Amino acid sequence: DIQMTQSPSSLSALVGDRVTITCQASQDISNYLNWYQQKPGKAPKLLIYDASNLETGVPSRFSGSGSGTDFTFTISSLQPEDIATYYCQHFANLPLTFGGGTKVEIK
Amino acid sequence: QVQLQQSGPGLVKPSQTLSLTCAISGDSVSSNSALWNWIRQSPSRGLEWLGRTYYRSKWYNDYAVSVKSRITINPDTSKNQFSLQLNSVTPEDTAVYYCARDGETRTGYAFDIWGQGTMVTVSS
Repeated sequence: DIQMTQSPSSLSALVGDRVTITCQASQDISNYLNWYQQKPGKAPKLLIYDASNLETGVPSRFSGSGSGTDFTFTISSLQPEDIATYYCQHFANLPLTFGGGTKVEIK
Repeated sequence: QVQLQQSGPGLVKPSQTLSLTCAISGDSVSSNSALWNWIRQSPSRGLEWLGRTYYRSKWYNDYAVSVKSRITINPDTSKNQFSLQLNSVTPEDTAVYYCARDGETRTGYAFDIWGQGTMVTVSS
């Protein structure tokens, strides 16, 4: 199974700050990576697919990059509504697996 | 607008069968471009993909090894829905269960539509 390691597990930042989350795959997954946002009590929501493509309707302050084993998710200017847990997920092969999540809070 | 609506009991006794249904609107369970998944989430296991069903000229199923001996995912074309059955449950199967559509992207798939989630507790 491909292990997805996210860091940090949590972070606290100011409104307007640039926030960066990393996700490392245990083997090469090309660009077969998606990012999700999950707010408390809600289902995850797709933000970024194929490592760097913004899902329709998602604000442009969200972005993703990377390929191979190392990936980055960025919020260019943190907003109060971005408080959530963010997950990466690969689709290179089965089983599909998720990272452990990064909880983003406002400082 | 595609929507998934989950239904099923929130409490299951140990050793019994967990059964959930996911009704699809705005798409078809027989779609040639989507896959229909069950995913669960618990504090101990995080987000865990359980399995999927999909149609590509015939029906296919894939299951996670961790539950492969206990799980069945079935499509129901007459009702445009799919179901999850997990047998011989234990308290470790306590989790929020989600159904989700894997929609096609440029290079693969992403869980682009999710059900509302069902909290299932395994307890006597």
